[in-house]
Amino acid sequence: DGGITQSPKYLFRKEGQNVTLSCEQNLNHDAMYWYRQDPGQGLRLIYYSQIVNDFQKGDIAEGYSVSREKKESFPLTVTSAQKNPTAFYLCASSPGGRYGYTFGSGTRLTVV
Amino acid sequence: GIQVEQSPPDLILQEGANSTLRCNFSDSVNNLQWFHQNPWGQLINLFYIPSGTKQNGRLSATTVATERYSLLYISSSQTTDSGVYFCAGEETSGSRLTFGEGTQLTVNP
Repeated sequence: DGGITQSPKYLFRKEGQNVTLSCEQNLNHDAMYWYRQDPGQGLRLIYYSQIVNDFQKGDIAEGYSVSREKKESFPLTVTSAQKNPTAFYLCASSPGGRYGYTFGSGTRLTVV
Repeated sequence: GIQVEQSPPDLILQEGANSTLRCNFSDSVNNLQWFHQNPWGQLINLFYIPSGTKQNGRLSATTVATERYSLLYISSSQTTDSGVYFCAGEETSGSRLTFGEGTQLTVNP
């Protein structure tokens, strides 16, 4: 089945540590996105990429980095510069045009 | 910036009741989508509805783009309909999807 796989489902980060969240899709979608969700709130855009080797900052990019070396993969690194990283992170993809977005099942990141 | 506003923020229903959720959006928003987030966090795309009306089982959605609003109808609600419903729209200048704050729906047996 085609879809988006995010891993791990749960991740614990120590203070000062960088961690990388994985997002892989086999839908052949051109565009991929990372969103952050805090409890009881909507989703906020961190980074997005419309083609391989290109990406743009979203509304809350500070403290995060991404890469898009392959069409299928869009990993997100939460750096030590992100002071409040505890949240639910969702990856999505879209073929563009008149089609909706598909989301992965998310990664819950907790700072310990 | 673009605006996507949802109402009501919370809704509690008895099983079998009908409900209407509303989404208002600003001029720079198009390509409206509705999502359901289940209690485990999974977001499911319900409708891609830039304009007009679509139906899928007990759910239907209508977008009146000229008046900048969209409605999601849930009929004969079931406990499995519980969760958060989000509407989201794309900026006309690009492919960024902006979400509203959501409507938390609880359906009691």
